[in-house]
Amino acid sequence: QQQVKQSPQSLIVQKGGISIINCAYENTAFDYFPWYQQFPGKGPALLIAIRPDVSEKKEGRFTISFNKSAKQFSLHIMDSQPGDSATYFCAAQNRGSQGNLIFGKGTKLSVKP
Amino acid sequence: DVKVTQSSRYLVKRTGEKVFLECVQDMDHENMFWYRQDPGLGLRLIYFSYDVKMKEKGDIPEGYSVSREKKERFSLILESASTNQTSMYLCASSSPTSGAVTYEQYFGPGTRLTVT
Repeated sequence: QQQVKQSPQSLIVQKGGISIINCAYENTAFDYFPWYQQFPGKGPALLIAIRPDVSEKKEGRFTISFNKSAKQFSLHIMDSQPGDSATYFCAAQNRGSQGNLIFGKGTKLSVKP
Repeated sequence: DVKVTQSSRYLVKRTGEKVFLECVQDMDHENMFWYRQDPGLGLRLIYFSYDVKMKEKGDIPEGYSVSREKKERFSLILESASTNQTSMYLCASSSPTSGAVTYEQYFGPGTRLTVT
């Protein structure tokens, strides 16, 4: 019940296309859902995050869509660029956990020029 | 600027050696974490700490121990390194964002450990 299931494991998108990565969870006590971006040779870094009281959050070309009833959330990257090529992790935080995040297994995104 | 540093980027050790991985953060964060990252398995939590001298087991603590003697430093110890501990090790720190109960984790660059 503590898992966050992420798909797909890898994704290839043409430049200018839309990249979509999906995550699902079971634990209704999760109250914070961040996405992390990791470039080769670097540690992950926070990209964008959402709380369950909103259904969508947009920052530039990156959008999180959140469906509380389905217990699913997704990352959409509009106008994907080769510089977006990275591994993306979704995560969830349990209410009262003092910041302990449960991570998905990651999606390796390649954007072809 | 926020910074988490790890003592080594690459490390090669022999089976049975005692290995120390050091992590230092300069953000006065209460929470610190050690993860290992393996292809297809994502980030798996080894140990975490909410305060000095305090530690909690994560999902995969077997074969590891930790030490937090100072707030800014969190050490991961492999008591007797084995080949199945060859991995990328990531350290992170966090503190609650002001006015909210969300915690952004800041990661170090990682240590790629090879045990032969």
